[in-house]
Amino acid sequence: QVQLVESGGGMVQPGRSLRLSCEVAGFTFSSFGMHWVRQAPGKGLEWVAIISYDGSKKYYADSVKGRFTISRDNSKNTVYLQMNTLRAEDTAVYYCAKDFGWNDVAWYLQHWGQGTLVTVSS
Amino acid sequence: QSALTQPPSASGSPGQSVTISCTGTSSDITNYKYVSWYQQYPGKAPKLMIYAVSKRPSGVPDRFSGSKSGNTASLTVSGLQAEDGADYYCSSYAGTNNFVVFGGGTTLTVL
Repeated sequence: QVQLVESGGGMVQPGRSLRLSCEVAGFTFSSFGMHWVRQAPGKGLEWVAIISYDGSKKYYADSVKGRFTISRDNSKNTVYLQMNTLRAEDTAVYYCAKDFGWNDVAWYLQHWGQGTLVTVSS
Repeated sequence: QSALTQPPSASGSPGQSVTISCTGTSSDITNYKYVSWYQQYPGKAPKLMIYAVSKRPSGVPDRFSGSKSGNTASLTVSGLQAEDGADYYCSSYAGTNNFVVFGGGTTLTVL
């Protein structure tokens, strides 16, 4: 059974940093790309970033480019999102999601974690 | 403002069919087959319902179907059931500038 569990969320002041983790189980982690998607309170979904199955390719939304970094440790079945210089508008539930494609990116988010809330406030 | 445009709400009675539209541009829906739909209940994670425009993941009822014409994708739910009431989001690959874009979401109410 596929499982994705996010952690690391919390309340942080503007300008500070936070690192989210997403530990997965139930599939061959090293063969699939991984996404981060966020959802501000009461709002819709916003794609944040993707990392390829081997970590060689990383792409970001313009809203986070230069501030957020996605990475992965295939030995730990974990994907990370390092968030720097946080802003109030980064407040959201952050979901990690498994891409549909095997050893490639299919751009469909097949399985999702339960999300972790990040609140940026002074 | 979302890159893809969806109606904020849709509704239908049990047993009826309802179609939710998702309008994009030549930068996304028109030129790519990577259209997907997600169902989300309040406080829960989204669930993939349709991928590659019209394919259903295993476990998704065949009451759910997808299509695309030009710059508009559509999700049709046939034989509406009470549990179909949820938020639905469309998504598309949008090339190497924006990568993945979502619609603003449609709240489906089963009357």
